[in-house]
Amino acid sequence: ETGVTQTPRHLVMGMTNKKSLKCEQHLGHNAMYWYKQSAKKPLELMFVYNFKEQTENNSVPSRFSPECPNSSHLFLHLHTLQPEDSALYLCASHGDGTGLYNEQFFGPGTRLTVL
Amino acid sequence: QKEVEQNSGPLSVPEGAIASLNCTYSDRGSQSFFWYRQYSGKSPELIMFIYSNGDKEDGRFTAQLNKASQYVSLLIRDSQPSDSATYLCAVSTGGFKTIFGAGTRLFVKA
Repeated sequence: ETGVTQTPRHLVMGMTNKKSLKCEQHLGHNAMYWYKQSAKKPLELMFVYNFKEQTENNSVPSRFSPECPNSSHLFLHLHTLQPEDSALYLCASHGDGTGLYNEQFFGPGTRLTVL
Repeated sequence: QKEVEQNSGPLSVPEGAIASLNCTYSDRGSQSFFWYRQYSGKSPELIMFIYSNGDKEDGRFTAQLNKASQYVSLLIRDSQPSDSATYLCAVSTGGFKTIFGAGTRLFVKA
């Protein structure tokens, strides 16, 4: 596999469920990101990890819990979500966050629906 | 005030015309500027980046940056129906944080 992959591609869950989103990058990058994309809103940065260390937590509610076991894998654990959390969740990666060119490579996203 | 602002559109242009997409940003410390294209149901993909004032051309695409006016634009020459997508402007001050605009929907009529 190449690029950035995400599983599952679609997820429907109830507010009391616990689920996890998975992201894997095959680009040799060191930085990985979680974004939330809601309809007609800008991409919202949620979390950033660089070399497995969290460098950014953009005031995300605790019902979202990230995990980065290594530079290639990133998880987003979900529990007791609300219907307004329904959105497209995008994972992205790039080199190492230094320098001028922070081009990010995105995965295909997980379409999450909370009932 | 929004950090990165774009007209949501839709911007409709006939095939073969020039499409002009605009973006303004609020942080004067911004250093890098990106244009991503997002097709419906797909994830964003980078099409251009620019960091110096002036124009940068790549095929049919030209990015223009004016840091004094805090303005960045994307011109698409000879627009094709396959260019129909949402175009996201993104701005970075360096490091890990990139701020995205809400995007402009472009529709190219055949």
